[in-house]
Amino acid sequence: AQKITQTQPGMFVQEKEAVTLDCTYDTSDPSYGLFWYKQPSSGEMIFLIYQGSYDQQNATEGRYSLNFQKARKSANLVISASQLGDSAMYFCAMREGYGGATNKLIFGTGTLLAVQP
Amino acid sequence: GAVVSQHPSRVICKSGTSVKIECRSLDFQATTMFWYRQFPKKSLMLMATSNEGSKATYEQGVEKDKFLINHASLTLSTLTVTSAHPEDSSFYICSAGLQQGRIDEAFFGQGTRLTVV
Repeated sequence: AQKITQTQPGMFVQEKEAVTLDCTYDTSDPSYGLFWYKQPSSGEMIFLIYQGSYDQQNATEGRYSLNFQKARKSANLVISASQLGDSAMYFCAMREGYGGATNKLIFGTGTLLAVQP
Repeated sequence: GAVVSQHPSRVICKSGTSVKIECRSLDFQATTMFWYRQFPKKSLMLMATSNEGSKATYEQGVEKDKFLINHASLTLSTLTVTSAHPEDSSFYICSAGLQQGRIDEAFFGQGTRLTVV
């Protein structure tokens, strides 16, 4: 079964508008972490935001915020005030268990975001 | 933030030869590193977990004799693609984890685009 599901293969957004990228996950482990990464055409993976399963508040990092709905097992990424440089592939990922840096990440299939001027 | 350096960024090799890819954590020690493979327009698939001082743990379906992993120090893991064939052409990317306070972050190298001709 898919552990991380991103249902939007591609998205368009107008410059300066907000966009939400969907991510749902599946785990029976009470302790987990959720990540969003941006991958431009150069291939590098750029860390955007992190949400721990026990975090009470939704994570925010600048223009990025994570809409964490634990009961629905969703962790959608919201990008406010889109910029042309936001055009890239976006991956949602999950780490299961508590082990911090030693636990592997499971990635979703990604969403290709195109920001239009 | 923490930096992971991967080298080379691009390599072209002849079929039947071996290629070594290096992954270094530049400003922190990483007892565990991860190697991923990414096909064009696809997600990152975990190949193996590299453990300092011990054997790597390979994911199901990954040939350990084909993809040799060595993690001889706390800052260096290498992936050697042995007897490379055109179907091994792909984007390979490593990561190392670091826990900083509440943030559990995986730092990625720049990736290596391997083309086997």
